[in-house]
Amino acid sequence: GDSVTQMEGPVTLSEEAFLTINCTYTATGYPSLFWYVQYPGEGLQLLLKATKADDKGSNKGFEATYRKETTSFHLEKGSVQVSDSAVYFCAHYNQGGKLIFGQGTELSVKP
Amino acid sequence: GAGVSQTPSNKVTEKGKYVELRCDPISGHTALYWYRQSLGQGPEFLIYFQGTGAADDSGLPNDRFFAVRPEGSVSTLKIQRTERGDSAVYLCASSWGGGQSEQFFGPGTRLTVL
Repeated sequence: GDSVTQMEGPVTLSEEAFLTINCTYTATGYPSLFWYVQYPGEGLQLLLKATKADDKGSNKGFEATYRKETTSFHLEKGSVQVSDSAVYFCAHYNQGGKLIFGQGTELSVKP
Repeated sequence: GAGVSQTPSNKVTEKGKYVELRCDPISGHTALYWYRQSLGQGPEFLIYFQGTGAADDSGLPNDRFFAVRPEGSVSTLKIQRTERGDSAVYLCASSWGGGQSEQFFGPGTRLTVL
């Protein structure tokens, strides 16, 4: 069935380090792909999305590219900040329109 | 404009009690979703409304869980005979038209069953 697998956290980085959070998915067809972010004490927010193969979603310095051949949508940022500390969720829609989420990856950025 | 709101933000109840969780979607959004997020996990789909009708309730874990959206706007998730395993954050989301339209999430209701 449809699923999303993310790298396990927590991920701890120093400020200005490079970030990669891996995400792979199993789905029927080619669904839209998403990264959501959950800051401490806040609700889920859409960070970026890509709707078709080879699309690159980007926002706030984060990027992710829809890789159909590897069924992946890895999140990257060149230089993280303390304010990026949050839990990041990879997700896709299944054919019924439900969002399927990964288990989340906690990122902690130290000054 | 106003986002999705959920009340209460926190609910503590005793095992066996009945609870209601409320969701106010973004005005004009026809699709409404409920998800459940257990500690350390991603949200899991419970039920999806298109207008007043439940288009997909396949995620409801058992018949203790029920949701309504009588006027196609506000929705209430109802849990009967609560169990400790029901403790989680219950998230509501809404979108313009369902399908693969972007879903906007509320802040969630944290339910604790003692």
